[in-house]
Amino acid sequence: DTAVSQTPKYLVTQMGNDKSIKCEQNLGHDTMYWYKQDSKKFLKIMFSYNNKELIINETVPNRFSPKSPDKAHLNLHINSLELGDSAVYFCASSPLAELNEQFFGPGTRLTVL
Amino acid sequence: AQSVTQLGSHVSVSEGALVLLRCNYSSSVPPYLFWYVQYPNQGLQLLLKYTSAATLVKGINGFEAEFKKSETSFHLTKPSAHMSDAAEYFCAVSGGNQGGKLIFGQGTELSVKP
Repeated sequence: DTAVSQTPKYLVTQMGNDKSIKCEQNLGHDTMYWYKQDSKKFLKIMFSYNNKELIINETVPNRFSPKSPDKAHLNLHINSLELGDSAVYFCASSPLAELNEQFFGPGTRLTVL
Repeated sequence: AQSVTQLGSHVSVSEGALVLLRCNYSSSVPPYLFWYVQYPNQGLQLLLKYTSAATLVKGINGFEAEFKKSETSFHLTKPSAHMSDAAEYFCAVSGGNQGGKLIFGQGTELSVKP
């Protein structure tokens, strides 16, 4: 019973390509997030959705576009991939309350060649 | 604005020794504080959280942390390290009606020597 799942786990692609990462949670949570972990393991939030509505949009290039078809899914589409996009991308979910923990997916390691 | 500083990017202890991972925060509003652990090639798992109740918080796997407002600290401790504790540890802060956004520290890698 995977709580937060991401596909694919690994993604290797060429510069300039467009790719998507999918995330699904079966916890019934209202809020979902995307985080980026760089090569130094630093984690930074990118986006947050609450019940399909965008509520956090950090300073992220507009090549990154999140899409939430329903509150259990939050996908991340990246256009015109660049070398600097190489990172591990984590999806997370939580009930709608700041003091609630966020449950993280296993991550998607994106490598741009 | 909120921020987190973890002192020491790498901590090494012997098995059975005390584990102390340091975290200091900055927040203009009452903070919620979290410690997460990341094992190699895995996602993050919550160890414990402070949400303005008891200042001494107990978590999973024998870890605990104490919230000290006067020192703006939330250090993580464990009395006796196990080999299985070797991992990356992240301190994080949220609060202030920011939609649950977590601000993470830089992480501390814990090594446990036999």
